[in-house]
Amino acid sequence: AQSVTQPDIHITVSEGASLELRCNYSYGATPYLFWYVQSPGQGLQLLLKYFSGDTLVQGIKGFEAEFKRSQSSFNLRKPSVHWSDAAEYFCAVGARDFGNEKLTFGTGTRLTIIP
Amino acid sequence: AAGVIQSPRHLIKEKRETATLKCYPIPRHDTVYWYQQGPGQDPQFLISFYEKMQSDKGSIPDRFSAQQFSDYHSELNMSSLELGDSALYFCASSSVYNEQFFGPGTRLTVL
Repeated sequence: AQSVTQPDIHITVSEGASLELRCNYSYGATPYLFWYVQSPGQGLQLLLKYFSGDTLVQGIKGFEAEFKRSQSSFNLRKPSVHWSDAAEYFCAVGARDFGNEKLTFGTGTRLTIIP
Repeated sequence: AAGVIQSPRHLIKEKRETATLKCYPIPRHDTVYWYQQGPGQDPQFLISFYEKMQSDKGSIPDRFSAQQFSDYHSELNMSSLELGDSALYFCASSSVYNEQFFGPGTRLTVL
């Protein structure tokens, strides 16, 4: 069974500073990997995804993530955060088996931005 | 672009009542997923349907049932509601081997 670990429950970053959110996954083969962002009481917005190919993927809002198979990681990065980036961030893994594509989410990282 | 539609957006029920949540997937998406997100929790997979057949099942209580109809919309039926069922319920849709697009969610409050 697949699983995701987000080691950081809460991160505080100054506006304009760089950001890295950690994500480690467990899956028997190469998974589908995703980062979603959720504002309080809102839905889940897809930031970026990794299916195959280039291990550095670009997403919306200036985010990027790098798939590292050797470390089973898919960390999310942004060079300069904006106050509007404050939200909950979820890493998710999906299986590549037809009929088993459900997403398994990490417990999330809450990002706070300080002026 | 069309998105996943969920209705209602908010629902308040009493304990032991029944609730029905509806999901309208993006056109031409053939797979629908249901997730439950409790307060301060990550979304948990409940059930999915592909071409109107159940394709996978997660931690869905026996009190809950779901189906996908011929027009691909899906309904999640929840009976004998408990306080612990209060959560945000997300529907997502996809086409095979593509990413899931999430709806805005239905916030269910059980009193």
